[in-house]
Amino acid sequence: AQSVTQLGSHVSVSEGALVLLRCNYSSSVPPYLFWYVQYPNQGLQLLLKYTTGATLVKGINGFEAEFKKSETSFHLTKPSAHMSDAAEYFCAVSDQETSGSRLTFGEGTQLTVNP
Amino acid sequence: GAVVSQHPSRVICKSGTSVKIECRSLDFQATTMFWYRQFPKQSLMLMATSNEGSKATYEQGVEKDKFLINHASLTLSTLTVTSAHPEDSSFYICSARDFQDRHTIYFGEGSWLTVV
Repeated sequence: AQSVTQLGSHVSVSEGALVLLRCNYSSSVPPYLFWYVQYPNQGLQLLLKYTTGATLVKGINGFEAEFKKSETSFHLTKPSAHMSDAAEYFCAVSDQETSGSRLTFGEGTQLTVNP
Repeated sequence: GAVVSQHPSRVICKSGTSVKIECRSLDFQATTMFWYRQFPKQSLMLMATSNEGSKATYEQGVEKDKFLINHASLTLSTLTVTSAHPEDSSFYICSARDFQDRHTIYFGEGSWLTVV
């Protein structure tokens, strides 16, 4: 069984400040890890994913995440927040044995960006 | 990038009626599609996995006779909510796995269902 824990259901930052959204996972097999963003009343958009290889993954809109196996973490960061980054962010995990087919989502983190 | 389209984006139906939601992969083939349900301010709950040409696999606790899923082609899956009740009101989201890129899943825009 797999699970995802996102620490902090709400994160608030100032425009231009560092964004850090935390994600820890539990998996008995090597995981695939994903970050998705959801704007109000819309579906999910893939920000970035880790499957194999380099543990620091760069995604769209200036976001990046680092897979740390020893810490079972996959935190999402962005050096400088923009107002347009305000949204709900979901971390998700799937296992490599099923070829990344089923995603287990965290509870989500609502990011607020203050002017 | 790859696009998954859901239709309708919003639908209101009366209690006891059935409503169908379509999920289409517009520029790729999807042998596997997934249906999720999302309540306000909550995460996504996987309802079922839809495989082209075969029966859907439902998650525990999801009534297969109430939520009928059909995946008749490589680009279309449908979710039919039968005999809808107000408690079925929710945001339904589909996703599709690219046949040629198994590790990437694209999500539709979601469909708001309101049962009155």
